[in-house]
Amino acid sequence: GESVGLHLPTLSVQEGDNSIINCAYSNSASDYFIWYKQESGKGPQFIIDIRSNMDKRQGQRVTVLLNKTVKHLSLQIAATQPGDSAVYFCAGPGFQKLVFGTGTRLLVSP
Amino acid sequence: NAGVTQTPKFQVLKTGQSMTLQCAQDMNHEYMSWYRQDPGMGLRLIHYSVGAGITDQGEVPNGYNVSRSTTEDFPLRLLSAAPSQTSVYFCASSLRGHPNEKLFFGSGTQLSVL
Repeated sequence: GESVGLHLPTLSVQEGDNSIINCAYSNSASDYFIWYKQESGKGPQFIIDIRSNMDKRQGQRVTVLLNKTVKHLSLQIAATQPGDSAVYFCAGPGFQKLVFGTGTRLLVSP
Repeated sequence: NAGVTQTPKFQVLKTGQSMTLQCAQDMNHEYMSWYRQDPGMGLRLIHYSVGAGITDQGEVPNGYNVSRSTTEDFPLRLLSAAPSQTSVYFCASSLRGHPNEKLFFGSGTQLSVL
Protein backbone atom coordinates (compact mmCIF):
# COMPACT_ATOMS: atom_id res chain seq x y z
CA GLY A 1 0.00 0.00 0.00
CA GLU A 2 0.89 3.63 -0.12
CA SER A 3 3.16 5.13 2.50
CA VAL A 4 4.33 8.54 3.50
CA GLY A 5 7.22 8.87 5.91
CA LEU A 6 9.75 11.22 7.33
CA HIS A 7 13.50 10.85 7.44
CA LEU A 8 14.47 11.97 10.90
CA PRO A 9 12.54 11.71 14.15
CA THR A 10 14.25 14.79 15.59
CA LEU A 11 15.94 17.87 14.15
CA SER A 12 17.75 20.36 16.38
CA VAL A 13 18.56 23.84 15.09
CA GLN A 14 19.68 27.18 16.46
CA GLU A 15 17.33 30.12 16.45
CA GLY A 16 17.77 32.06 13.23
CA ASP A 17 19.01 29.08 11.21
CA ASN A 18 17.08 27.61 8.31
CA SER A 19 15.42 24.25 8.95
CA ILE A 20 14.85 21.51 6.38
CA ILE A 21 12.47 18.67 7.14
CA ASN A 22 12.25 15.82 4.68
CA CYS A 23 9.57 13.38 3.66
CA ALA A 24 9.49 10.43 1.25
CA TYR A 25 6.50 8.78 -0.34
CA SER A 26 5.96 5.54 -2.19
CA ASN A 27 3.10 6.15 -4.61
CA SER A 28 4.34 7.78 -7.79
CA ALA A 29 0.74 8.64 -8.70
CA SER A 30 0.34 10.87 -5.62
CA ASP A 31 -0.70 14.31 -6.77
CA TYR A 32 -1.12 16.30 -3.60
CA PHE A 33 0.84 16.76 -0.38
CA ILE A 34 0.28 18.70 2.81
CA TRP A 35 2.58 19.72 5.62
CA TYR A 36 1.15 19.95 9.13
CA LYS A 37 2.59 21.42 12.32
CA GLN A 38 1.58 19.96 15.66
CA GLU A 39 2.48 21.78 18.85
CA SER A 40 2.43 19.99 22.17
CA GLY A 41 -1.11 19.36 23.37
CA LYS A 42 -2.71 20.68 20.18
CA GLY A 43 -4.14 19.30 17.00
CA PRO A 44 -2.29 19.28 13.67
CA GLN A 45 -2.37 22.66 11.98
CA PHE A 46 -2.17 23.12 8.21
CA ILE A 47 1.01 24.89 7.06
CA ILE A 48 1.23 24.57 3.30
CA ASP A 49 0.26 22.24 0.49
CA ILE A 50 1.55 21.48 -2.99
CA ARG A 51 0.13 19.75 -6.03
CA SER A 52 2.17 17.55 -8.32
CA ASN A 53 2.09 20.03 -11.20
CA MET A 54 4.41 22.23 -9.11
CA ASP A 55 8.00 21.75 -7.95
CA LYS A 56 8.01 24.51 -5.38
CA ARG A 57 5.56 26.56 -3.38
CA GLN A 58 6.29 29.35 -0.97
CA GLY A 59 4.39 30.65 2.01
CA GLN A 60 5.31 32.95 4.82
CA ARG A 61 8.81 31.81 5.90
CA VAL A 62 8.09 28.31 4.58
CA THR A 63 8.85 26.66 1.26
CA VAL A 64 7.88 23.19 0.13
CA LEU A 65 9.90 21.46 -2.57
CA LEU A 66 8.62 18.44 -4.46
CA ASN A 67 10.92 16.09 -6.34
CA LYS A 68 8.72 13.63 -8.18
CA THR A 69 11.67 11.79 -9.71
CA VAL A 70 12.86 10.50 -6.34
CA LYS A 71 9.46 10.79 -4.63
CA HIS A 72 10.68 13.21 -2.03
CA LEU A 73 9.42 16.45 -0.58
CA SER A 74 10.87 18.85 1.90
CA LEU A 75 9.69 21.68 4.10
CA GLN A 76 12.08 24.57 4.53
CA ILE A 77 11.58 27.04 7.36
CA ALA A 78 13.55 30.26 7.08
CA ALA A 79 14.98 32.02 10.13
CA THR A 80 13.66 29.41 12.54
CA GLN A 81 12.12 30.83 15.71
CA PRO A 82 11.37 29.25 19.10
CA GLY A 83 7.68 29.28 18.17
CA ASP A 84 8.49 26.88 15.34
CA SER A 85 9.28 24.13 17.86
CA ALA A 86 6.77 21.39 17.11
CA VAL A 87 6.30 18.08 15.34
CA TYR A 88 6.03 18.41 11.57
CA PHE A 89 4.57 15.75 9.36
CA CYS A 90 3.66 15.39 5.75
CA ALA A 91 0.54 13.79 4.37
CA GLY A 92 -0.28 12.46 0.93
CA PRO A 93 -3.27 10.85 -0.76
CA GLY A 94 -3.92 7.20 -0.13
CA PHE A 95 -6.91 5.13 -1.10
CA GLN A 96 -9.92 7.27 -0.14
CA LYS A 97 -7.99 9.11 2.57
CA LEU A 98 -4.89 11.05 3.44
CA VAL A 99 -1.90 9.03 4.66
CA PHE A 100 0.25 10.64 7.32
CA GLY A 101 3.92 10.30 8.14
CA THR A 102 5.04 9.80 11.73
CA GLY A 103 6.62 13.20 12.12
CA THR A 104 9.88 15.03 12.78
CA ARG A 105 10.24 16.90 16.05
CA LEU A 106 11.89 20.27 15.47
CA LEU A 107 13.77 21.59 18.49
CA VAL A 108 14.85 25.24 18.37
CA SER A 109 17.47 26.40 20.81
CA PRO A 110 18.31 30.07 21.52
CA ASN B 1 -14.79 31.02 13.48
CA ALA B 2 -14.56 27.97 15.78
CA GLY B 3 -13.59 25.36 13.13
CA VAL B 4 -13.54 21.86 14.64
CA THR B 5 -14.43 21.63 18.33
CA GLN B 6 -13.78 18.57 20.46
CA THR B 7 -14.85 17.79 24.01
CA PRO B 8 -13.66 16.76 26.51
CA LYS B 9 -9.98 17.63 26.34
CA PHE B 10 -9.00 15.01 28.92
CA GLN B 11 -10.74 11.85 30.13
CA VAL B 12 -9.83 8.98 32.41
CA LEU B 13 -11.89 5.79 32.22
CA LYS B 14 -11.85 2.46 33.93
CA THR B 15 -11.74 -0.71 31.84
CA GLY B 16 -15.24 -1.60 30.67
CA GLN B 17 -16.71 1.88 30.96
CA SER B 18 -18.31 3.55 27.97
CA MET B 19 -18.15 7.15 26.88
CA THR B 20 -18.73 9.47 23.94
CA LEU B 21 -16.22 11.89 22.50
CA GLN B 22 -17.93 14.88 20.97
CA CYS B 23 -16.95 16.61 17.73
CA ALA B 24 -18.62 19.53 15.99
CA GLN B 25 -17.64 21.66 13.02
CA ASP B 26 -19.13 24.92 11.80
CA MET B 27 -17.59 25.00 8.30
CA ASN B 28 -20.42 23.10 6.59
CA HIS B 29 -18.00 20.32 5.69
CA GLU B 30 -19.45 17.13 4.29
CA TYR B 31 -16.57 14.95 5.46
CA MET B 32 -15.74 14.24 9.08
CA SER B 33 -13.40 11.68 10.57
CA TRP B 34 -11.83 10.37 13.75
CA TYR B 35 -8.15 9.56 14.17
CA ARG B 36 -6.14 8.20 17.00
CA GLN B 37 -2.53 9.20 17.52
CA ASP B 38 -0.10 6.90 19.29
CA PRO B 39 3.66 7.39 19.76
CA GLY B 40 5.63 6.25 16.73
CA MET B 41 2.53 5.28 14.76
CA GLY B 42 1.29 8.51 13.28
CA LEU B 43 -2.39 9.22 12.77
CA ARG B 44 -4.63 6.23 12.17
CA LEU B 45 -8.14 6.53 10.81
CA ILE B 46 -10.88 5.04 13.00
CA HIS B 47 -14.15 5.97 11.27
CA TYR B 48 -15.25 8.55 8.78
CA SER B 49 -18.40 10.05 7.30
CA VAL B 50 -19.00 11.63 3.90
CA GLY B 51 -22.31 13.17 4.91
CA ALA B 52 -25.24 13.01 7.30
CA GLY B 53 -26.49 9.46 7.68
CA ILE B 54 -23.38 7.93 6.07
CA THR B 55 -20.49 6.40 8.01
CA ASP B 56 -17.75 3.94 7.21
CA GLN B 57 -14.84 2.18 8.87
CA GLY B 58 -11.25 3.28 8.72
CA GLU B 59 -8.20 1.17 9.45
CA VAL B 60 -8.72 0.69 13.22
CA PRO B 61 -12.52 0.65 13.84
CA ASN B 62 -12.81 -2.14 16.43
CA GLY B 63 -14.21 -1.00 19.77
CA TYR B 64 -15.62 2.26 18.39
CA ASN B 65 -18.99 3.34 17.03
CA VAL B 66 -19.98 6.52 15.22
CA SER B 67 -23.12 8.13 13.89
CA ARG B 68 -23.76 11.23 11.79
CA SER B 69 -27.26 12.55 12.33
CA THR B 70 -26.37 16.12 11.35
CA THR B 71 -23.76 17.73 9.12
CA GLU B 72 -22.20 19.47 12.12
CA ASP B 73 -21.76 16.64 14.64
CA PHE B 74 -19.82 13.40 14.56
CA PRO B 75 -19.57 11.72 17.99
CA LEU B 76 -17.27 8.78 18.66
CA ARG B 77 -18.46 6.16 21.13
CA LEU B 78 -16.29 3.76 23.06
CA LEU B 79 -18.51 0.82 23.89
CA SER B 80 -16.39 -0.90 26.54
CA ALA B 81 -13.11 0.87 27.11
CA ALA B 82 -9.87 -1.14 27.09
CA PRO B 83 -6.32 -0.06 28.04
CA SER B 84 -5.35 -0.44 24.35
CA GLN B 85 -7.64 2.51 23.63
CA THR B 86 -5.46 4.84 25.67
CA SER B 87 -4.51 7.41 23.06
CA VAL B 88 -5.03 10.93 21.80
CA TYR B 89 -8.08 11.24 19.60
CA PHE B 90 -8.53 13.84 16.89
CA CYS B 91 -11.58 14.76 14.93
CA ALA B 92 -10.99 16.22 11.49
CA SER B 93 -13.13 17.56 8.67
CA SER B 94 -12.81 18.60 5.07
CA LEU B 95 -15.14 20.00 2.46
CA ARG B 96 -15.88 16.82 0.54
CA GLY B 97 -13.38 14.24 1.81
CA HIS B 98 -11.33 13.90 -1.33
CA PRO B 99 -7.80 12.56 -0.68
CA ASN B 100 -6.42 15.75 -2.21
CA GLU B 101 -8.15 18.10 0.20
CA LYS B 102 -6.70 19.55 3.35
CA LEU B 103 -8.08 18.28 6.64
CA PHE B 104 -8.89 20.61 9.51
CA PHE B 105 -8.27 19.13 12.94
CA GLY B 106 -9.71 19.69 16.38
CA SER B 107 -7.51 20.17 19.43
CA GLY B 108 -7.77 16.56 20.55
CA THR B 109 -8.99 14.44 23.46
CA GLN B 110 -6.40 12.72 25.61
CA LEU B 111 -7.94 9.47 26.87
CA SER B 112 -6.49 7.18 29.50
CA VAL B 113 -8.07 3.80 30.22
CA LEU B 114 -6.97 2.20 33.48
